[in-house]
Amino acid sequence: GEDVEQSLFLSVREGDSSVINCTYTDSSSTYLYWYKQEPGAGLQLLTYIFSNMDMKQDQRLTVLLNKKDKHLSLRIADTQTGDSAIYFCAESIPSSASKIIFGSGTRLSIRP
Amino acid sequence: EAGVAQSPRYKIIEKRQSVAFWCNPISGHATLYWHQQILGQGPKLLIQFQNNGVVDDSQLPKDRFSAERLKGVDSTLKIQPAKLEDSAVYLCATDQYFGPGTRLTVT
Repeated sequence: GEDVEQSLFLSVREGDSSVINCTYTDSSSTYLYWYKQEPGAGLQLLTYIFSNMDMKQDQRLTVLLNKKDKHLSLRIADTQTGDSAIYFCAESIPSSASKIIFGSGTRLSIRP
Repeated sequence: EAGVAQSPRYKIIEKRQSVAFWCNPISGHATLYWHQQILGQGPKLLIQFQNNGVVDDSQLPKDRFSAERLKGVDSTLKIQPAKLEDSAVYLCATDQYFGPGTRLTVT
């Protein structure tokens, strides 16, 4: 089946690292994505990882992929107030003509 | 949001009325998606086009929703007649890039 799950909320202190987790069910996923959605805005692609990679780093963002456990995480280093948003994990399913399945999103809030 | 324009940005209609949304992506993207995002949920795929053809419309309520893609570029999504539960943001995307969405409120 096709399902992507995330925890609904995460609260971190400003300056700490945030780790947002995601699990997916389709082992044929080719790409896995992280999107950011700020209030009233569309989805912004933050980063993505190809399924044959274990890790990808891009400035403050680190994506870790455990394909065996079908687990994806997004680490944001030195979390800032501007990082407050909903973060969506998504997978691309090649067996379904590359349609993208989204999780329900994790709301990240930053406390001072 | 770069490269995908949507209009209108907001629309309020009464139930049983009709509504249409437009998506204008930059050319060159073969794949186009319409997603429905209900408040508090992740986007749900309604329909996927590859050029002019429909690849997946398994989650499109075809009794009331219709979509077309013109010349493999622009696309329209229509709802006729609308129901209260259609209130959502309708997002157009090409490949992995999303437009800003159209927020529909059905009263």
